[in-house]
Amino acid sequence: GAVVSQHPSRVICKSGTSVKIECRSLDFQATTMFWYRQFPKKSLMLMATSNEGSKATYEQGVEKDKFLINHASLTLSTLTVTSAHPEDSSFYICSARDKGQGAGNSPLHFGNGTRLTVT
Amino acid sequence: QKEVEQNSGPLSVPEGAIASLNCTYSDRGSQSFFWYRQYSGKSPELIMSIYSNGDKEDGRFTAQLNKASQYVSLLIRDSQPSDSATYLCAGYNAGNNRKLIWGLGTSLAVNP
Repeated sequence: GAVVSQHPSRVICKSGTSVKIECRSLDFQATTMFWYRQFPKKSLMLMATSNEGSKATYEQGVEKDKFLINHASLTLSTLTVTSAHPEDSSFYICSARDKGQGAGNSPLHFGNGTRLTVT
Repeated sequence: QKEVEQNSGPLSVPEGAIASLNCTYSDRGSQSFFWYRQYSGKSPELIMSIYSNGDKEDGRFTAQLNKASQYVSLLIRDSQPSDSATYLCAGYNAGNNRKLIWGLGTSLAVNP
């Protein structure tokens, strides 16, 4: 159980284009999803918290107009990297928390990640 | 600043040995802790959750929590080369705005 599906797994795009990444909880409902990015050999960095039906909460230093997050249903959140540049190249990982468990107690379940390369 | 600290390693153990991974946390109000395994180039995978003082065992893995000492550990018995990965410790901060605080991870190498 607790499967999170993330697509695409890998994407290469040209500078200036936009890329959308989807994150779905397959066997549970997720009122809250989290988007992380990770550079090689570095720790996870939380970008934003996505709540179903409301605006995402962005971490300090993360541009909300560049990283658009939509959480339209209890099983789907999307991250759109707008006007991507080479410095946006990174490993983007979504995670979800099961609605059925307490907010302060339940683990996060991760998607497989999306490796974005901007040329 | 709420923190979760881990020794970055690398921790190197021979195959079949016990690997001991440690984590300390600064928020005394933290209640829930998790160990994740992350292979290079992959996303984290949940191994263990622990919520109360003491030991919790699952197969070759044992998580230990000591809230008085603000210390969480993960023991891996009969270590295998496939256990070679980075192990991330995480815990929720206390208070209304529950956020998972991550350690930087410990790199484990199990040598055949």
